[in-house]
Amino acid sequence: DAKTTQPPSMDCAEGRAANLPCNHSTISGNEYVYWYRQIHSQGPQYIIHGLKNNETNEMASLIITEDRKSSTLILPHATLRDTAVYYCIVRPGGGATNKLIFGTGTLLAVQP
Amino acid sequence: DAGVTQSPTHLIKTRGQHVTLRCSPISGHKSVSWYQQVLGQGPQFIFQYYEKEERGRGNFPDRFSARQFPNYSSELNVNALLLGDSALYLCASSLEAGPAYNEQFFGPGTRLTVL
Repeated sequence: DAKTTQPPSMDCAEGRAANLPCNHSTISGNEYVYWYRQIHSQGPQYIIHGLKNNETNEMASLIITEDRKSSTLILPHATLRDTAVYYCIVRPGGGATNKLIFGTGTLLAVQP
Repeated sequence: DAGVTQSPTHLIKTRGQHVTLRCSPISGHKSVSWYQQVLGQGPQFIFQYYEKEERGRGNFPDRFSARQFPNYSSELNVNALLLGDSALYLCASSLEAGPAYNEQFFGPGTRLTVL
C-alpha cells in the first residue's frame, strides 16, 4: 500500500504557482520523498526527490517539513502543459530493488 | 538518444489467450521494471530485472512472468488472460537496480484490452 496521502484533485491558474501537498506521516529515517507526474496517455516522469532538505531543480521545488511527515511540491509558474496526475512516493534509500509504490496521486488541472 | 521503447502500442486479446509485451531500455541501462496501470489508478509494480536476474516481484499471480535478455531488453508474458488484465503496461529502465537516487525512465506503455 502507498505510504502517502494526497488530495485527489487541484486547480491552478496558468502562470501562478501550483502547490501540491503530500502527507507521509509514517515515513522512516532512511526513506526519500519522490515526485513523479503522468501526463495523459504517457508514462510517468520523474520530477524531484529529497530526504530532509529542501530541493530545487529546473522543474520544481520540494519543501519537506522539519518532522518529515509532509511535503509540498511547488511548480513556480504553472503552464497548461503541467496538467497531469502528480504522484508523491516514499522510497528507502537502500536495498536491492528500486520499485515505486504509486498511490492515486493528485490530478492538477491548470486553467487558462 | 532514444528513450524507453515498448511494443506494441495497442493490443486486443480475448480471454484465455496469451500475450507478450516487449521493452527496450535506454542505452546503457541495465535494469528494467514492469508496471500495470488500471484505469483510474496509479501504476502497480509487477517485476524488476537487473542483469537478467529477477530483483523484485509484486503481488501478481503466476500467470505473469518476465525475462531480460543479454542486451537488457525485456519481455512480459501474461497467460490465460482475464478481463481484469486490461490495463496500460508500463516499462521503466534505470542504470542500476538499487533505489539510491536511481531515477527510472518510463516508456509510453502498451495498452492491452482483453475482450
